[in-house]
Amino acid sequence: AQSVAQPEDQVNVAEGNPLTVKCTYSVSGNPYLFWYVQYPNRGLQFLLKYITGDNLVKGSYGFEAEFNKSQTSFHLKKPSALVSDSALYFCAVRDTQAAGNKLTFGGGTRVLVKP
Amino acid sequence: NAGVTQTPKFQVLKTGQSMTLQCAQDMNHEYMSWYRQDPGMGLRLIHYSVGAGITDQGEVPNGYNVSRSTTEDFPLRLLSAAPSQTSVYFCASRRQGSHATNEKLFFGSGTQLSVL
Repeated sequence: AQSVAQPEDQVNVAEGNPLTVKCTYSVSGNPYLFWYVQYPNRGLQFLLKYITGDNLVKGSYGFEAEFNKSQTSFHLKKPSALVSDSALYFCAVRDTQAAGNKLTFGGGTRVLVKP
Repeated sequence: NAGVTQTPKFQVLKTGQSMTLQCAQDMNHEYMSWYRQDPGMGLRLIHYSVGAGITDQGEVPNGYNVSRSTTEDFPLRLLSAAPSQTSVYFCASRRQGSHATNEKLFFGSGTQLSVL
């Protein structure tokens, strides 16, 4: 079975400082990995994905994530956080060897960027 | 572009009542799905569909029915509402197929449901 863990319920960071949101996963085969962001009272928006190729993936709004197969991690990073980055972030995984098209989400990490 | 449209945005039900959450997309996406979002539990897949006439169960299908008569619409029916179904419900769609560009879900803005 596929699963995702986001070990931090909330991350607090000062504006201008680096931001990291952690994610680890478990799959039987090869993973497709995703980050989505949810702003208040909105649906989720796609940030970035890892399918294959370069381990460092760049996405929207200056975010990037690094796929680390040995550590089964896919941490989301931003070099300099903005107050507008305050939101709920979800990591998700799809096991390419599992039947169906199911995407499993982590529990979410709330990011608070303080001015 | 409308994208994925969900109605209603808010709904309050009494235990035992039934209702249908509507979802429509105008992107000609083959794949559509319903998730529920509960605090600390992320999003859990209820049902999904890979095309008109085809539906399948996700992680938490009990108490919900779906149908897919057209490509555009994917309604979610609560047969007899229970307090445990109090949640925020999201519909999402994407293109079907194995190409990597299809691996991106588009979400509606959600329906906040309270069952008393």
